[in-house]
Amino acid sequence: QKEVEQDPGPLSVPEGAIVSLNCTYSNSAFQYFMWYRQYSRKGPELLMYTYSSGNKEDGRFTAQVDKSSKYISLFIRDSQPSDSATYLCAMSAGAQKLVFGQGTRLTINP
Amino acid sequence: DTAVSQTPKYLVTQMGNDKSIKCEQNLGHDTMYWYKQDSKKFLKIMFSYNNKELIINETVPNRFSPKSPDKAHLNLHINSLELGDSAVYFCASSQAGTTYSNQPQHFGDGTRLSIL
Repeated sequence: QKEVEQDPGPLSVPEGAIVSLNCTYSNSAFQYFMWYRQYSRKGPELLMYTYSSGNKEDGRFTAQVDKSSKYISLFIRDSQPSDSATYLCAMSAGAQKLVFGQGTRLTINP
Repeated sequence: DTAVSQTPKYLVTQMGNDKSIKCEQNLGHDTMYWYKQDSKKFLKIMFSYNNKELIINETVPNRFSPKSPDKAHLNLHINSLELGDSAVYFCASSQAGTTYSNQPQHFGDGTRLSIL
């Protein structure tokens, strides 16, 4: 069993829809949770960064962490075609060692 | 004004050759990393350097040798390349963290290595 599980998709939704992306994990020591966006042929770009449980909102993006369920989510409101990318969750217990999910490939259809 | 830059972007070479990938960051960060992303998009850490000192060394064949001439540069040298080394290699950097903290990492755009 992988430490971090993420459905690779692909996920295809119409423009304007609310997108929900999720990861589960097994290591209860994880305290830092991140979402990265990766466009084709580009490096991962940090979107959201949260510590421990709770919600964080930044514009159209909301990150949720439920440590009791070992489950994290990223919501994208009013999705745009420019949001089409692969979304990677990443987690860390500290010491700068990140463990990534496989990434979910998302397409927003105009 | 690229924050983390890697060269070359593409590298096509034959099995058995030795090659190097270079990485430079202009963010003033203390820590740099090498990651490998395989064909299924799994991104796995290989090495991490903090102020030229090796701090993370995952289970990587010793054909891979990182070198950090200064804290703004981290190069990756690969000896005797094998077919399984074909992947995208990403460099990243961050402020220094501690054992119980984590600083956000910023990635370059990758070097696509293909072994013939």
